[in-house]
Amino acid sequence: QKEVEQNSGPLSVPEGAIASLNCTYSDRVSQSFFWYRQYSGKSPELIMSIYSNGDKEDGRFTAQLNKASQYVSLLIRDSQPSDSATYLCAVKKPASGGSYIPTFGRGTSLIVHP
Amino acid sequence: GAGVSQSPSNKVTEKGKDVELRCDPISGHTALYWYRQSLGQGLEFLIYFQGNSAPDKSGLPSDRFSAERTGGSVSTLTIQRTQQEDSAVYLCASSLASEGYEQYFGPGTRLTVT
Repeated sequence: QKEVEQNSGPLSVPEGAIASLNCTYSDRVSQSFFWYRQYSGKSPELIMSIYSNGDKEDGRFTAQLNKASQYVSLLIRDSQPSDSATYLCAVKKPASGGSYIPTFGRGTSLIVHP
Repeated sequence: GAGVSQSPSNKVTEKGKDVELRCDPISGHTALYWYRQSLGQGLEFLIYFQGNSAPDKSGLPSDRFSAERTGGSVSTLTIQRTQQEDSAVYLCASSLASEGYEQYFGPGTRLTVT
């Protein structure tokens, strides 16, 4: 089982709809969770971080974390064509030497069509 | 403020040559990470620095790869005797500290080995 799993997609939604992106992780000691957006040919950019169970909202984005189910999701409300990108889930857990190394999922491709 | 910068943005080199890739993190960020992303693939963790020390070098693909960080700031990733399979985008990210904090990525260096 991969440490961080995402459906590769593509997930296709119409403009104005809610896009729901999901991520599961395997290690219960994981502590910090992040969503990044990566446009084709560009580097990842941070969208949101979440550290505790529940929902966290920032504009059109809502991150949801359920540690019991080892599940983190990202909802994008009122999706726009400019949201079309690959969304990466990242999970940080304690590693050797007191370090915290993030593990990234392979990403979900989102297409928002007009 | 200034984000993470990387140089060069593009590098074309002949097989067997050595290359140096540079990363300048956000000022004050103590943690620095190197990743590699091949075309259409996910992020592959290479190495992580906390200050000038590298607690985790587990991701370096071979002994041809090395990295250093001086003054708790700039880092250099060196690839010796480059091979065609080294062709990828090399991404650097920094964070305020290792534990919990968000990473911010630089624009990457696209390495092509001919």
